[in-house]
Amino acid sequence: DSGVTQTPKHLITATGQRVTLRCSPRSGDLSVYWYQQSLDQGLQFLIQYYNGEERAKGNILERFSAQQFPDLHSELNLSSLELGDSALYFCASSVDGTSDDTQYFGPGTRLTVL
Amino acid sequence: SQQGEEDPQALSIQEGENATMNCSYKTSINNLQWYRQNSGRGLVHLILIRSNEREKHSGRLRVTLDTSKKSSSLLITASRAADTASYFCATDEKAGTYKYIFGTGTRLKVLA
Repeated sequence: DSGVTQTPKHLITATGQRVTLRCSPRSGDLSVYWYQQSLDQGLQFLIQYYNGEERAKGNILERFSAQQFPDLHSELNLSSLELGDSALYFCASSVDGTSDDTQYFGPGTRLTVL
Repeated sequence: SQQGEEDPQALSIQEGENATMNCSYKTSINNLQWYRQNSGRGLVHLILIRSNEREKHSGRLRVTLDTSKKSSSLLITASRAADTASYFCATDEKAGTYKYIFGTGTRLKVLA
């Protein structure tokens, strides 16, 4: 158990809908990352937050948004969902978000868009 | 091709054999990390090697880094069935953008 929690574990929804994925980092970690992993694909970095502020942005679609709250939990909002958004979404956390920091991954949320 | 490409894509070996996976990347980096992922689960950090290091060991793992060739290798010695997983390398961009780029991974299967 990494100490990172993600809810829900599974999510099934229809095209055009909007969903929110939630992540609670390890106690003491200030940085949160979001990744998307499609079938047989590597991890695509979406976005990173550090202590409530956006720090780095990757291949995140405009239909997606995220935020990190004062209690350091984070939410990833996915809207106008398309079939291609079906994937595993991982959240990771690290102590200070620097590049030599170990990232601890949550168990993921499996999103299925029908 | 993307930053952090692993080779081979899939590898199948017998228990007790050594497994070697390679990772190539494009840009200058500060460090490179290897992660492991059991099927459908979150990634687990294995080892970090800095750009000024050439080799690092951790238990049955040995990682090498050749910055002139922009490549790294992960060697798992005396493999076990429990080592069956996907292995990813992850690199940062030296420009300090805090982005971490993961490759597509090597799927390792260790046969008992």
